[in-house]
Amino acid sequence: DVKVTQSSRYLVKRTGEKVFLECVQDMDHENMFWYRQDPGLGLRLIYFSYDVKMKEKGDIPEGYSVSREKKERFSLILESASTNQTSMYLCASSFRKGSLSYEQYFGPGTRLTVT
Amino acid sequence: GQNIDQPTEMTATEGAIVQINCTYQTSGFNGLFWYQQHAGEAPTFLSYNVLDGLEEKGRFSSFLSRSKGYSYLLLKELQMKDSASYLCAVRDAGGTSYGKLTFGQGTILTVHP
Repeated sequence: DVKVTQSSRYLVKRTGEKVFLECVQDMDHENMFWYRQDPGLGLRLIYFSYDVKMKEKGDIPEGYSVSREKKERFSLILESASTNQTSMYLCASSFRKGSLSYEQYFGPGTRLTVT
Repeated sequence: GQNIDQPTEMTATEGAIVQINCTYQTSGFNGLFWYQQHAGEAPTFLSYNVLDGLEEKGRFSSFLSRSKGYSYLLLKELQMKDSASYLCAVRDAGGTSYGKLTFGQGTILTVHP
């Protein structure tokens, strides 16, 4: 079974803090993704990575950065947390063979509250 | 870009059949996925269509018409545990998209006894 784990289920941070969300997958997947999920807005892609040290902006990258130093680990960084970044953050990974990518597997999510 | 539309909420009765529709307008298309998400949990993969037609997997089936930009998820013999949000997602075309998905807002299905 594919396993995607996230460092925390719940996190409370203060405005202006630097926040790190960690994601680890154990299936040697090439692609990794960070989403946020908000009521009425659905899942929105923040950033994704298709290889170590490679990253691409998603639909809402502002206020976020990412790091992928190892294949199994993909980190989301909030440089200076703000209250509008209070959300559920979901990490996902998928296998890729050449130009074909397969279904994404999701981690359990981190509910972040910024006060 | 992608624009994906699905109903916000649906209700159905245990034992019945329900069809959840998804329409999309895309600048490129390379497959459509359905995910199930129970409240407070992560989405889990249900089905995948890239060619026109019906894909059946137990009580769940998914249909795709690429010319109409339309898909549906059919759930048969509904059970209470099927109460969840169902997410339609379209995969971008192109080798540089790396499997990027655009999700609809999800349909919250409530199954009543």
